[in-house]
Amino acid sequence: TQLLEQSPQFLSIQEGENLTVYCNSSSVFSSLQWYRQEPGEGPVLLVTVVTGGEVKKLKRLTFQFGDARKDSSLHITAAQPGDTGLYLCAGLHQGAQKLVFGQGTRLTINP
Amino acid sequence: EAGVAQSPRYKIIEKRQSVAFWCNPISGHATLYWYQQILGQGPKLLIQFQNNGVVDDSQLPKDRFSAERLKGVDSTLKIQPAKLEDSAVYLCASSLVRPGGYTFGSGTRLTVV
Repeated sequence: TQLLEQSPQFLSIQEGENLTVYCNSSSVFSSLQWYRQEPGEGPVLLVTVVTGGEVKKLKRLTFQFGDARKDSSLHITAAQPGDTGLYLCAGLHQGAQKLVFGQGTRLTINP
Repeated sequence: EAGVAQSPRYKIIEKRQSVAFWCNPISGHATLYWYQQILGQGPKLLIQFQNNGVVDDSQLPKDRFSAERLKGVDSTLKIQPAKLEDSAVYLCASSLVRPGGYTFGSGTRLTVV
């Protein structure tokens, strides 16, 4: 059972466009993390969101945690080829110590 | 700081053979995780250690997979005997006891033929 559903699974857009990736669940999480993974490497942490409604910005990336702490979104403005990669969301349940990962969104930015 | 070290980077074996992977976590990180990532999917937790004790191994196929973390530092993950469906990237990660985020190694890509 996939507790975290990411959409879309694949996204290919042109350089300069904007995009949003979604991470949804029926479960409440105490925190949610976003990772980016490049081919042949392990995932690298981008951000952790903890408070419902929280918004964090990392340069051209904007992360939002849903008010009910069940969902999250990642918005990229003016995408660049260097943004290409697999984006993974991962949730931590209250009282738990292990992250549950979504299946990922594979993003390709074409020059 | 040094990252999470894993070896080997790649391994090709025949089915029914055995294989072992090694992980050295970040110094001071009490918690160590082994994840399996099948192509096109997100990582799936196999086993979690805190120091040298197992916290969660509910998704570890114990008939063929085993893992240990002697002295609470390095860890090894073993598969014996391997099956074709074990082909995946095996990722090791470590974190502080109350994780703000995991640090992953580069993984070992296993191909079972």
